[in-house]
Amino acid sequence: EDQVTQSPEALRLQEGESSSLNCSYTVSGLRGLFWYRQDPGKGPEFLFTLYSAGEEKEKERLKATLTKKESFLHITAPKPEDSATYLCAVKVDSGYSTLTFGKGTMLLVSP
Amino acid sequence: KAGVTQTPRYLIKTRGQQVTLSCSPISGHRSVSWYQQTPGQGLQFLFEYFSETQRNKGNFPGRFSGRQFSNSRSEMNVSTLELGDSALYLCASSSGQGDGSPLHFGNGTRLTVT
Repeated sequence: EDQVTQSPEALRLQEGESSSLNCSYTVSGLRGLFWYRQDPGKGPEFLFTLYSAGEEKEKERLKATLTKKESFLHITAPKPEDSATYLCAVKVDSGYSTLTFGKGTMLLVSP
Repeated sequence: KAGVTQTPRYLIKTRGQQVTLSCSPISGHRSVSWYQQTPGQGLQFLFEYFSETQRNKGNFPGRFSGRQFSNSRSEMNVSTLELGDSALYLCASSSGQGDGSPLHFGNGTRLTVT
């Protein structure tokens, strides 16, 4: 069974204090790993897709990396507006468009 | 380009009733997926439709059903509601082509069953 585990469950940072979120996965036939951001009362917002080990993608203060067993979302010098729940999801062989999600990391950045 | 639209945003129903939720995908997207989100279980896949055909289904009881129309709009129905069906129901659309096409989510329908 495909599994996606995110850690930590919650993370509190001071503004400017960089950190990383972890997403470990056990799947058969990874076709893509996705990162989303979700704000309270809203649907998940797409951030990145990673396909193969060694790949990296960046967007503003966020950088996502991928290895054969896990992905990291690095947040550099975060601001309060980066506060949100960050979700990791995988797409596998024969899964059509189906994503299997982790339970997310709730990030709070204090000024 | 308009995003994914879900209606209604909030719904309160009583146990035993049934409910229908609606989703309008991004223009041009042929795949529509439905997910249930709860604090304990996170996002769980319900089903996916592509060109009016269900092509994948999650582990939910038969009380949960859906359909897709020729204009790609989709509805999901839950019959004989239970308290445990209280959740945020999210619809997502994608082109359905290729591995890289991400899902784009609507803001969901918050269903409360009393």
